[in-house]
Amino acid sequence: EPEVTQTPSHQVTQMGQEVILRCVPISNHLYFYWYRQILGQKVEFLVSFYNNEISEKSEIFDDQFSVERPDGSNFTLKIRSTKLEDSAMYFCASSEASGSYGYTFGSGTRLTVV
Amino acid sequence: AQTVTQSQPEMSVQEAETVTLSCTYDTSESDYYLFWYKQPPSRQMILVIRQEAYKQQNATENRFSVNFQKAAKSFSLKISDSQLGDAAMYFCAYRSAKAGGTSYGKLTFGQGTILTVHP
Repeated sequence: EPEVTQTPSHQVTQMGQEVILRCVPISNHLYFYWYRQILGQKVEFLVSFYNNEISEKSEIFDDQFSVERPDGSNFTLKIRSTKLEDSAMYFCASSEASGSYGYTFGSGTRLTVV
Repeated sequence: AQTVTQSQPEMSVQEAETVTLSCTYDTSESDYYLFWYKQPPSRQMILVIRQEAYKQQNATENRFSVNFQKAAKSFSLKISDSQLGDAAMYFCAYRSAKAGGTSYGKLTFGQGTILTVHP
């Protein structure tokens, strides 16, 4: 069964450093998403991406965040200057239509900011 | 804005028994989709079941079924013949069906319910 692949599975970074989280969505999917889950809390929407541009973003997704699809297969989330409160599990997801049939999630990247 | 509420932080069930997880939501929209996702200890989010709001018939996937009450804005998940592998965090989620709506394409999740299955 097709999978969404996320790398790395765990990243530790110093506060103030830039991090890039990588995702390879399912190849025939057109919609891409990033979600965040702070430990023990609910899963929160960050951003959706379609046709090479952001289609929607949440209030969490401020200027320190950016997304990119650099080469037609990867989908990345960049956090420019990490803060302690960015420590969370970050999930990438993709869908073939706009999600009406559900989304396929990756296994997540656990980001720890120290 | 839509909200999703799961009022049961934790539930437990004996293996082979049936358990029901509750979910309520708030929306002014008439057309939307509802989902249940399972998050096992591996942390991966796995789609369990999906319901289209315009369909009155409750969705079923093997041992998993829902009780969708549109007027009450309730969407509970029933797990029959519970297995040890069902132990996980379960999230209810909402997605607008309205093209161009503010939440189009985005999932709004509830807080989750931790399900423990006792052998």
